[in-house]
Amino acid sequence: DVKVTQSSRYLVKRTGEKVFLECVQDMDHENMFWYRQDPGLGLRLIYFSYDVKMKEKGDIPEGYSVSREKKERFSLILESASTNQTSMYLCASSGVLGLHEQFFGPGTRLTVL
Amino acid sequence: GQQLNQSPQSMFIQEGEDVSMNCTSSSIFNTWLWYKQDPGEGPVLLIALYKAGELTSNGRLTAQFGITRKDSFLNISASIPSDVGIYFCAGHLMEYGNKLVFGAGTILRVKS
Repeated sequence: DVKVTQSSRYLVKRTGEKVFLECVQDMDHENMFWYRQDPGLGLRLIYFSYDVKMKEKGDIPEGYSVSREKKERFSLILESASTNQTSMYLCASSGVLGLHEQFFGPGTRLTVL
Repeated sequence: GQQLNQSPQSMFIQEGEDVSMNCTSSSIFNTWLWYKQDPGEGPVLLIALYKAGELTSNGRLTAQFGITRKDSFLNISASIPSDVGIYFCAGHLMEYGNKLVFGAGTILRVKS
């Protein structure tokens, strides 16, 4: 069974803190994605990675960075958290050749105070 | 970026009713996907469509890949309370590499 896990379901951080969100997939997928989800704005792509150590900016990369040192793990980093980064963060992976189905983790609800 | 127009934005229906929602675009897609998101959870893939005209069912759910490749619809028959959630369409464009374009979602509420 397909499995994408995220390190925390809920996280509360203070403005200016460095925040790490971890995502792990067990399907040997090449592609991994980070989205944020806000009411009325749908899913917005922050960054994605198509291979180890490879990354590309999505639609809203400002204020975020990512790391992919191993195929199964994709980390999202908020260098200095701000209140406007309070959101639901979703990780996804895909990789079956020729198909583009993305499988999502359960999400991390981040609150920045 | 690319836009998918998903409608309706929300629905409040009676238990037992059939539900229909759709996504349209000005672009031609080669894959359509439908997801459901329960409150506080990540989206779960319901149905994947790969060919124009394709009609696929998953239990009470039926989805179709529009013949023009610019639209798709999802029907839910005989809705039940656990159908509550947000339904997203997503499409894949060749020029987008491995990324998907997502609709804004349809919020479904069911009166029992």
